[in-house]
Amino acid sequence: DTGVSQDPRHKITKRGQNVTFRCDPISEHNRLYWYRQTLGQGPEFLTYFQNEAQLEKSRLLSDRFSAERPKGSFSTLEIQRTEQGDSAMYLCASSLFGRGASGQTGITDTQYFGPGTRLTVL
Amino acid sequence: AQKITQTQPGMFVQEKEAVTLDCTYDTSDQSYGLFWYKQPSSGEMIFLIYQGSYDEQNATEGRYSLNFQKARKSANLVISASQLGDSAMYFCAMRLRINAGGTSYGKLTFGQGTILTVHP
Repeated sequence: DTGVSQDPRHKITKRGQNVTFRCDPISEHNRLYWYRQTLGQGPEFLTYFQNEAQLEKSRLLSDRFSAERPKGSFSTLEIQRTEQGDSAMYLCASSLFGRGASGQTGITDTQYFGPGTRLTVL
Repeated sequence: AQKITQTQPGMFVQEKEAVTLDCTYDTSDQSYGLFWYKQPSSGEMIFLIYQGSYDEQNATEGRYSLNFQKARKSANLVISASQLGDSAMYFCAMRLRINAGGTSYGKLTFGQGTILTVHP
């Protein structure tokens, strides 16, 4: 079972440009989460999906941020008109909530994280 | 709103010794889950251990154990027999488990983290 993967691992962009990140969760995980982590801080929640449905969005997620999970598998996080304050590590995590197709249960709903995408806005 | 506090910015321990990393939390909910994650310099968050608020026994996973004191709202991580590879940032996190509709809240709230350095 492969872990959570994220692409790209690093992104350098100029202020005002749009960027898009991709996250592939662990197969059979129905929940997918996005967090943002700045240097020396713990991750901050941005949004999460259960299957295709976006269940919660943080107020940190301004109008310039949008996330999708169209088929309930991979997810994309887009930032429009990037600002220098958007420079951070963007972490994706996935979890199994409820019962999976193979019968396994995700009682604790433990989130497993990917390697992150480090964004630098110049 | 829930809050996690890790008061130790940095901790040092000698190889093969045990170390305790502190975590206190604040929530008015009765049902919640507590997690510890390790983040090496590579950046990936690695899940270590979980404790549910209704679990009667402290959680253990190999060299990791969680000293859960519900009345004090503390969930300290104990690492026994420290190894050089344990040097990393450690985060405590909480998730409210169940809302009124019976659905688990998804988001984790993290503390500020503790940098652990293991000396040979």
